Parts: sequence; C-alpha cells; structure tokens
Amino acid sequence: QKEVEQDPGPLSVPEGAIVSLNCTYSNSAFQYFMWYRQYSRKGPELLMYTYSSGNKEDGRFTAQVDKSSKYISLFIRDSQPSDSATYLCAMRAGGTSYGKLTFGQGTILTVHP
Amino acid sequence: EAGVTQFPSHSVIEKGQTVTLRCDPISGHDNLYWYRRVMGKEIKFLLHFVKESKQDESGMPNNRFLAERTGGTYSTLKVQPAELEDSGVYFCASSQDWTIRNTIYFGEGSWLTVV
Repeated sequence: QKEVEQDPGPLSVPEGAIVSLNCTYSNSAFQYFMWYRQYSRKGPELLMYTYSSGNKEDGRFTAQVDKSSKYISLFIRDSQPSDSATYLCAMRAGGTSYGKLTFGQGTILTVHP
Repeated sequence: EAGVTQFPSHSVIEKGQTVTLRCDPISGHDNLYWYRRVMGKEIKFLLHFVKESKQDESGMPNNRFLAERTGGTYSTLKVQPAELEDSGVYFCASSQDWTIRNTIYFGEGSWLTVV
C-alpha cells in the first residue's frame, strides 16, 4: 500500500470553476503537508505549505488538512487556464530533513476557456 | 538569480551503459536533494546532501547508483550499469537550510531513457 494516495485524474473543468484536489495518507508520522504545481517539462513548484489541521488560504488557493482522517485537500477558486498543470501533494514526517518528501502520484488538471 | 540547473536535459542510453547526471544548485544552498520519477509512479526521494556530506541516502535504490558532491557545490548522480527500470525523470532540488520554513527549489529534471 502506498503511503500517499492521490487520484491521478485527469480532471477537466471550465474556466471559473472551483477545483478540489485530494490526497489521503496512511503514515501517522506525517506532520507537514505541501502542495506543488508542476507544469509540463518543468520541475515541481511549491504552492502551499501547512503543518496543522485546518485551513490555510493564499489568494485563490486554500489548503485543508484533517489529520484525524489523514486527508488533505487543495481548493482552487475561479480557476484559470493558466492553472492547467499537474498538482502534487507532498508530506514530510517529523524529525526528518525538510527535503525528504513523500509525494502523491499527482493529479493532471486542465482548465478550458 | 539562476535556479537549480540540471544537465543533460535528455539522455538515451543502452542497457548496461553508464550515465552521469549533473546538478548545479542555487548559489549558497548547502542542501541538495535528488529525486526521481519512474514511469507511472510518484516522485521518490533518493538522497540528501548537506554541503559535501550525505545526510540521508535511504532512498537510493541499489549500488548501481552513486551520488557525489565534491566541494559542496554541484552534484553528480551516476548510474552504472543502467537497467531498463532506471528510465524516468531525475530531479535535483536545493534549499538554503533544512529548517521547516525553508522552501526547496526543484530543477527541471533530467529525462533518462534506457533502451
């Protein structure tokens, strides 16, 4: 069983839609949660970072963590064609180096005009 | 400021050959990481350097992989001999330090195809 499960999609939505991306995890040691965005043929780019249960908002993006359910989400409001990319959740256990991340498989998102 | 740069961007080699991938981290970043993504799988951690020392190499798949970072600047990842299952994208990343608040920056990856 994978430590992090993420639906690979693909997910296709119209411009302006609210997008919901999700990951579940099995390792209780994970304490830090991130969302990365990866454009085609590029490296992952950090979008959101959080370490507590609850919501964190940054512009059109909201990251949600529910540690009791081992479930994290990323919401994108008013989605734009420029949001079309692969979205990766990533997690890190406490006591490990910041760069030792466990990734989900990534969800391919397309926002069409 | 230059980002994390990787070379070559693409490489096609035959099974049994050797390939060396290079990563130049962002200037001043002591921490350097290697990750890889093989076809259909998630990105997986390989190892972490702090300057020239290997901090964590728990993700290295086997002894056909050798990573070095002489002088604490650029790093190389050598695969010898390459096998078909080594095909994938190899990402390098760097960060200034390894505390919780520090962002790690990824390169664009080196695409390796073993035929």
